[in-house]
Amino acid sequence: NAGVTQTPKFQVLKTGQSMTLQCAQDMNHEYMSWYRQDPGMGLRLIHYSVGAGITDQGEVPNGYNVSRSTTEDFPLRLLSAAPSQTSVYFCASKTRGASYNSPLHFGNGTRLTVT
Amino acid sequence: KQEVTQIPAALSVPEGENLVLNCSFTDSAIYNLQWFRQDPGKGLTSLLLIQSSQREQTSGRLNASLDKSSGRSTLYIAASQPGDSATYLCAVRRGGTSGSRLTFGEGTQLTVNP
Repeated sequence: NAGVTQTPKFQVLKTGQSMTLQCAQDMNHEYMSWYRQDPGMGLRLIHYSVGAGITDQGEVPNGYNVSRSTTEDFPLRLLSAAPSQTSVYFCASKTRGASYNSPLHFGNGTRLTVT
Repeated sequence: KQEVTQIPAALSVPEGENLVLNCSFTDSAIYNLQWFRQDPGKGLTSLLLIQSSQREQTSGRLNASLDKSSGRSTLYIAASQPGDSATYLCAVRRGGTSGSRLTFGEGTQLTVNP
């Protein structure tokens, strides 16, 4: 029972480099999202998707792109990494169902350092 | 703008003690509130979800209460165990649409000493 799988677990980038953080879930969840977790700031929503082909911005979307070509996958792209993007990134998913009272399921995170 | 505060930031208790973690939020117009547990180096695990129409939810040794009018929730842990050591976060959902977001507190780091 894999749940939400994130890769890689750790990544170090140089300023200006690009990379993609991978997220996959095997629970057939319609809703997927990306958060970043920073000391003193808590978790903040970057982008989210309510289904394949549909994405929308969260609270802190600048510098990040997403796409949702399948129900299972929701990659997060950093186009030109900046030190301010040093953080721990979490992917989370949930079923939409008839209401929004279903819990979020989180991956184990990707710890990104930009030098 | 919704703000979520958790006090205390850290708590250390001896094994077997009953304890209460606090969560307060500034905007009482919430859809639901969730309590999560986060272990070091791991993601968040959902513990309890309370709908805005509910007053409390229970799961095993955990009981979460919600008082919307005062903007408060508590997580009660009975007979604490060393395995309960983790960071506990609460999060409130603003509305019942796909665009509504969770606002998280920064968490309470709990240590249960054997």
